[in-house]
Amino acid sequence: NAGVTQTPKFQVLKTGQSMTLQCAQDMNHNSMYWYRQDPGMGLRLIYYSASEGTTDKGEVPNGYNVSRLNKREFSLRLESAAPSQTSVYFCASSPRDRDYTYEQYFGPGTRLTVT
Amino acid sequence: AQTVTQSQPEMSVQEAETVTLSCTYDTSESNYYLFWYKQPPSRQMILVIRQEAYKQQNATENRFSVNFQKAAKSFSLKISDSQLGDTAMYFCAFMKPLSLRLIFGTGTRLQVFP
Repeated sequence: NAGVTQTPKFQVLKTGQSMTLQCAQDMNHNSMYWYRQDPGMGLRLIYYSASEGTTDKGEVPNGYNVSRLNKREFSLRLESAAPSQTSVYFCASSPRDRDYTYEQYFGPGTRLTVT
Repeated sequence: AQTVTQSQPEMSVQEAETVTLSCTYDTSESNYYLFWYKQPPSRQMILVIRQEAYKQQNATENRFSVNFQKAAKSFSLKISDSQLGDTAMYFCAFMKPLSLRLIFGTGTRLQVFP
C-alpha cells in the first residue's frame, strides 16, 4: 500500500514550457486534491475532485488545469509555466466514508522551479 | 470566507518539555472540523490530530492534545514530553463539512533542542 504517490519529485522548467504533474492513490479514496506550498503562505488549494468525473476550482486555479483520469489518478497541468508557479506541489486524497473523517492523506510533493 | 491564523512563525522547546502552538480561525459556521498537520523536514504532511466543533471534549492523541475554545475560535496544540522527532512545521487547518476544502494557516516552525 503506497498511499499517495507523485511524479516527478523535482522538475525545472523554462518559462513558457508545459508539463503535467502526476498523482495516484491506492486507498480507494473518492476525493483528490492539488495544493501548492509557498514560503510563508501555508498550503493553498489549486483544484480538487470530489469524485471521479468531477473537478472544481480551489483558491488559486489560474494557470492550471486538472484531469481526474479515473478513481486512482488526478493530474495537474501547467500549459505555459511562469516563474510565479515556482512552488512545491502536493497531491492529497481523502475518503468519503460513513464516518466522514475528512482526513486528507498527502503525497511526498513535487518541487517545481520555473526559470 | 474562513481564515486561519497562526501568529507564532517559530517556536523552540527543550526535549521533554511541553510546548503549546496557537491557532485562531474565523468562521460563521456552527459545525466544522479543525486539524493540526505536521510537516517534518522530509516534507511529508502528516495528520496529528482532528477536532469536530460539535464535540465538547478536546481531542488527544498520545502526547498531542488540543485546547478547543469554540467561543473564542481558538484551537491550540499542546505537545507534551517533546521529542527531537517533533521538530517540524505545524499547520492548523479548517474545513466546513462536505466542502472538502481545507484552509491552512501559515504554519509554525517548531525546533526541539536536546
